[in-house]
Amino acid sequence: DVVMTQSPLSLPVTLGQPASISCRSSQSLLHSDGNTYLNWFQQRPGQSPRRLIYKVSNGDSGVPDRFSGSGSGTDFTLKISRVEAEDVGVYYCMQGTHWPPFTFGQGTKLEIK
Amino acid sequence: EVQLVESGGGLVQPGGSLRLSCVASGFTFSSYWMSWVRQAPGKGLEWVANIKEDGSEKYSVDSVKGRFTISRDNAKNSLYLQMNSLRAEDTAVYYCARGKSTSYWGQGTPVTVSS
Repeated sequence: DVVMTQSPLSLPVTLGQPASISCRSSQSLLHSDGNTYLNWFQQRPGQSPRRLIYKVSNGDSGVPDRFSGSGSGTDFTLKISRVEAEDVGVYYCMQGTHWPPFTFGQGTKLEIK
Repeated sequence: EVQLVESGGGLVQPGGSLRLSCVASGFTFSSYWMSWVRQAPGKGLEWVANIKEDGSEKYSVDSVKGRFTISRDNAKNSLYLQMNSLRAEDTAVYYCARGKSTSYWGQGTPVTVSS
């Protein structure tokens, strides 16, 4: 199974400042079809997860443009350009290239400093 | 608007069974793979199973193979998860999600396995 490793696991950020979360996979996520199936999810306290980014860098509908995804191969990053209070929650990466099973990172808890 | 509404969770004894349901609306259900993902209390997300649009392909994580069965009824816009031989470690909130890449999620239904 592909192991997804996120860092940091805890991320205190000052309002208005940028934030960055790293996600590394145990093998390349480049699929033979040319796509890289790496998604990012946000889970606010008490809510269901919500997909933010799919295939590394594509923003889902309604996602603020302060969220961006980048990376390739085994190294991926979710960036928030300016953190707002509503961004508090846990962020997960998930790979969908080598499945089954689909695998998630451990989660990164973002809090306001 | 895409909506996924799970039901069927509850308290069950070890070794018992439960059948979870998920009713979909706001999209053409029969055109999408569907998935189940779970989250144990205070823990992260774990993919459980998925099923192809027409039900012809099904996949699941090793820890539930032989115990859980995913199915769907496209005429009823419904997804199911039959869970047998339940164990304490199956205790979690179970989410229904659209697609292999889980683009939309329901609100979840809690399952507690305890004596």
